[in-house]
Amino acid sequence: NAGVTQTPKFQVLKTGQSMTLQCAQDMNHEYMSWYRQDPGMGLRLIHYSVGAGITDQGEVPNGYNVSRSTTEDFPLRLLSAAPSQTSVYFCASRPGGRSNQPQHFGDGTRLSIL
Amino acid sequence: SQQGEEDPQALSIQEGENATMNCSYKTSINNLQWYRQNSGRGLVHLILIRSNEREKHSGRLRVTLDTSKKSSSLLITASRAADTASYFCATEINTGGFKTIFGAGTRLFVKA
Repeated sequence: NAGVTQTPKFQVLKTGQSMTLQCAQDMNHEYMSWYRQDPGMGLRLIHYSVGAGITDQGEVPNGYNVSRSTTEDFPLRLLSAAPSQTSVYFCASRPGGRSNQPQHFGDGTRLSIL
Repeated sequence: SQQGEEDPQALSIQEGENATMNCSYKTSINNLQWYRQNSGRGLVHLILIRSNEREKHSGRLRVTLDTSKKSSSLLITASRAADTASYFCATEINTGGFKTIFGAGTRLFVKA
């Protein structure tokens, strides 16, 4: 099993450009989440999904869109990148329901907005 | 502000000493989890404690949970230089679905 796979690992964008960060998991997990990590801030929840077709906002959703058309994939879209979105982005997944199981994390995407 | 907040923000100890990190949170939780992150890497799960549990052990790790005080602690015994990392607590809260909120973390440095 590959677990949680994030692509790309690194990306540099110019202000105003758009891009999609990809996240895929092969564990048949219902729950998936996107976090951003900034120095000294820990991880902040951007959006999460409890199953295909269902998404909800986290702590810092502005500037990001998500969709969940399949169980496996949970892409994160930046429609118009801003320097404030420079960060490391992590995708995570876990089984659904009251599973009381931990999240599995990808290795992250390091994104710089110039 | 974040649901979970760790204390201290940074901790420096000698190899062989014990390291204690604390986490406080604000709302009712389903469970509390501790994760470790080495520099430049993703997060690795260490231990999960359910809201109806008070203490849990895993190797050199001991986690306690006090739901009345909305706090948890992570104890690493007989620390090693390889334990140098950032440690995060995360609380899973019930919002209809479940979402997991992280604290800002404690940076642990273990000197050889």
